[in-house]
Amino acid sequence: KAGVTQTPRYLIKTRGQQVTLSCSPISGHRSVSWYQQTPGQGLQFLFEYFSETQRNKGNFPGRFSGRQFSNSRSEMNVSTLELGDSALYLCASSPAARLQETQYFGPGTRLLVL
Amino acid sequence: ILNVEQSPQSLHVQEGDSTNFTCSFPSSNFYALHWYRWETAKSPEALFVMTLNGDEKKKGRISATLNTKEGYSYLYIKGSQPEDSATYLCAFGNAGNNRKLIWGLGTSLAVNP
Repeated sequence: KAGVTQTPRYLIKTRGQQVTLSCSPISGHRSVSWYQQTPGQGLQFLFEYFSETQRNKGNFPGRFSGRQFSNSRSEMNVSTLELGDSALYLCASSPAARLQETQYFGPGTRLLVL
Repeated sequence: ILNVEQSPQSLHVQEGDSTNFTCSFPSSNFYALHWYRWETAKSPEALFVMTLNGDEKKKGRISATLNTKEGYSYLYIKGSQPEDSATYLCAFGNAGNNRKLIWGLGTSLAVNP
């Protein structure tokens, strides 16, 4: 089975712009979670989608949004980019949205905001 | 605020040494405890998921234990090898109102040949 894929892998944007990141889960996985990783902060949970519904959301401003499509692919959007949004964004998929499910991570999208 | 703490923050050992690290988590609303290994330039990979107090899991030279009553898990590596060099992350599955995985900052392990 192909693993989790994320596009693009690298992105440079300027403050005020918006960005859309994409995540394709492992075939058959219906849950997709998004994380932000910055130095010293660890993995911060953004949101989780299951069967096209947002199941849970982390403590991020409304500029961060996401969605999931019927084929379980997910997109994450950040509007009005700020310098502090520079980070590695990881998505992870699992068969179901249960806390004991193993998460399978993609390679991440590294975003730099100038 | 729910917090997951990992110690030590970093560790340098010699090849062949055995080592262990700790993950501390809230003892209430426990649902699951995950361990992941994250090598540089790769994605985090799952090592273990544990759900029951007293659980012990083993994969090769790596093993983990779980104490949900006191809120800690240990990860052990026996006879460390240079390829074990990575950051080891734990994640606490919170079964409270805000069900999600809460991640520690990780323990960075460097094994010198």
